[in-house]
Amino acid sequence: KAGVTQTPRYLIKTRGQQVTLSCSPISGHRSVSWYQQTPGQGLQFLFEYFSETQRNKGNFPGRFSGRQFSNSRSEMNVSTLELGDSALYLCASSKGQSSGANVLTFGAGSRLTVL
Amino acid sequence: AQSVTQPDIHITVSEGASLELRCNYSYGATPYLFWYVQSPGQGLQLLLKYFSGDTLVQGIKGFEAEFKRSQSSFNLRKPSVHWSDAAEYFCAVQADRGSTLGRLYFGRGTQLTVWP
Repeated sequence: KAGVTQTPRYLIKTRGQQVTLSCSPISGHRSVSWYQQTPGQGLQFLFEYFSETQRNKGNFPGRFSGRQFSNSRSEMNVSTLELGDSALYLCASSKGQSSGANVLTFGAGSRLTVL
Repeated sequence: AQSVTQPDIHITVSEGASLELRCNYSYGATPYLFWYVQSPGQGLQLLLKYFSGDTLVQGIKGFEAEFKRSQSSFNLRKPSVHWSDAAEYFCAVQADRGSTLGRLYFGRGTQLTVWP
């Protein structure tokens, strides 16, 4: 079956602009999580969406937002970009069950460079 | 809150040598534990996971890991490393309950270099 698809794979923006990243989960997966990966901070959790509702949120400023559609596809948006937002943004999908382990399957990521 | 420590930032081994990557976690109850691997410019690929039961778990690509509750550890091992194993390896913990259910907490990663 198809994996987690993230678009675009690479993008370059300038400070002050905004960006929208897209994630299509594995078919049947209802949870989508987003992580930011940087050399300095490692892998940090941004937020998780389940059935179109944000279920969990990490410690990021309000410039980082997301949403999930009825088909489970998700988007994340970063407004007023800063140089420090340059990172690999990883999306992961899972069944999102409320008990037991959730195995996350990751996409290839979207590499954002802010100039 | 959960946390993961990977003490080794970088490990170098010769091809054919054995490998052990260390991982220590902090969590009050029995955690769900994972090892992921990341090749340059790629996402994370699941190597193996531990939920319960047998403390020695087998994964893909010949990797295995052992859960030791007394040491709060989940070390990754491979008997004979191949050059294609060169990558970055991440250990992660997931809570089995509470408001952070489903969220992964990652270690900082161990970069593996394999000498021919």
